[in-house]
Amino acid sequence: QLQMQESGPGLVKPSETLSLTCTVSGGSIGSGSSYWGWIRQPPGKGLEWIGSIYYSGSTYYNPSLKSRVTISGDTSKNQFSLKLSSVTAADTAVYYCARVSGPMDYWGQGTLVTVSS
Amino acid sequence: EIVLTQSPGTLSLSPGERATLSCRASQSVSSNYLAWYQQKPGQAPRLLIYGASSRATGIPDRFSGSGSGTDFTLTISRLEPEDFAVYYCQQYGSSPRTFGQGTKVEIK
Repeated sequence: QLQMQESGPGLVKPSETLSLTCTVSGGSIGSGSSYWGWIRQPPGKGLEWIGSIYYSGSTYYNPSLKSRVTISGDTSKNQFSLKLSSVTAADTAVYYCARVSGPMDYWGQGTLVTVSS
Repeated sequence: EIVLTQSPGTLSLSPGERATLSCRASQSVSSNYLAWYQQKPGQAPRLLIYGASSRATGIPDRFSGSGSGTDFTLTISRLEPEDFAVYYCQQYGSSPRTFGQGTKVEIK
């Protein structure tokens, strides 16, 4: 059974860079059968797709965030990561990682990141 | 970007009743790549339906999806107590992948 777990700081200062890692167990991000993605949800609001990465390193970003987002993968650790630069209070959200096999069929539990000084 | 509009915003129903949720796309969803997710408070979304009408693994058959092109529907034939939650549609036929704003199914 595939499991995914987000990790990273829960508090980030405005203008700094948010960094999160997703650790995958029960499956390999290098298997080539899926993409791996990040989604966020501001408190009390809906879901927003941030971007995805393929095992080859190809990435796809939401144009609304593209200038600030970097998603990378480390197949040796079976992890992939999110970096979001120049954060503001509007980036406060629960951040989820997910397996993207077309739809998003496996999700991490999510981690709340608050942007505040 | 494809905009997905869900209706109604809130659906107030009793256990045992039928729930019908709508998702309308601003343009045709490629290959009917439309998914439905259920989210309960404090939990991650759970995939219910993909490809507009295929149930994900382990999803009870009271959940069904239909539609094509720009109009899609999620039907819960008989609401169980655990079905009261927020439901999101999402298209994955074109980039960027987009979600609807959600429909809350609440106990009447």
